[in-house]
Amino acid sequence: QVQLVESGGGQVMPGGSLRLSCVVSGFTFRDYYMSWIRQAPGKGLEWVSLIDTGSRWPNYADSVKGRFTISRDNAKNSMYLQMNSLRAEDTAVYYCARVHGSGSYWMGRWGQGTLVTVSS
Amino acid sequence: QSILTQPPSVSGAPGQRVTISCTGSSSNIGANYDVHWYQQLPGTAPKLLIYGNTNRPSGVPDRFSASKSVTSASLAISGLQAEDEADYYCQSYDNTLSGSVVFGGGTKLTVL
Repeated sequence: QVQLVESGGGQVMPGGSLRLSCVVSGFTFRDYYMSWIRQAPGKGLEWVSLIDTGSRWPNYADSVKGRFTISRDNAKNSMYLQMNSLRAEDTAVYYCARVHGSGSYWMGRWGQGTLVTVSS
Repeated sequence: QSILTQPPSVSGAPGQRVTISCTGSSSNIGANYDVHWYQQLPGTAPKLLIYGNTNRPSGVPDRFSASKSVTSASLAISGLQAEDEADYYCQSYDNTLSGSVVFGGGTKLTVL
């Protein structure tokens, strides 16, 4: 069955870095765009980044542009989010999701999330 | 402040019908981009509920339906059940933002 499993979350100090991973199974990873979405404690969903199948045009929310880098390794069925210069407001559960559609994308399947806490 | 506006909360008694609105603008819903809906049960990851304005993925009960108008969309839940108590989010695409995937602020549904 389709599975997306995030890892790499944890506590980090402001200004620090963290790398999240999303390993998938149960579908042909290289055929799908993928995305990261986050949810701060008690808050709503916020889209973070999206990557196409060939890693040609990654997209980022303005709130993370220049600090976060999305990437993928189709041979390893994995997607990553390198997070640098972390701020307290980056504290959230980070979900990876399989993207569907064209233009107005939707998130067809989600992982269980990994918690990132930015605090001194 | 979210690009897509949802009511913070709605409520209904078991068996009743409730609707959740999602209001956008000419740069997202009004630009003919599709609207999608997600359900997030307490303590769990979001789950796709409706895609492409009106389509239900397999396994989603037909008690859930949705529609789209000029610059807004609406999710309807009929025959409310206790297990429908959750947060609901709309999502679309906005052509004025970098990246452009946008979510509504979410609506907490309480089953009385």
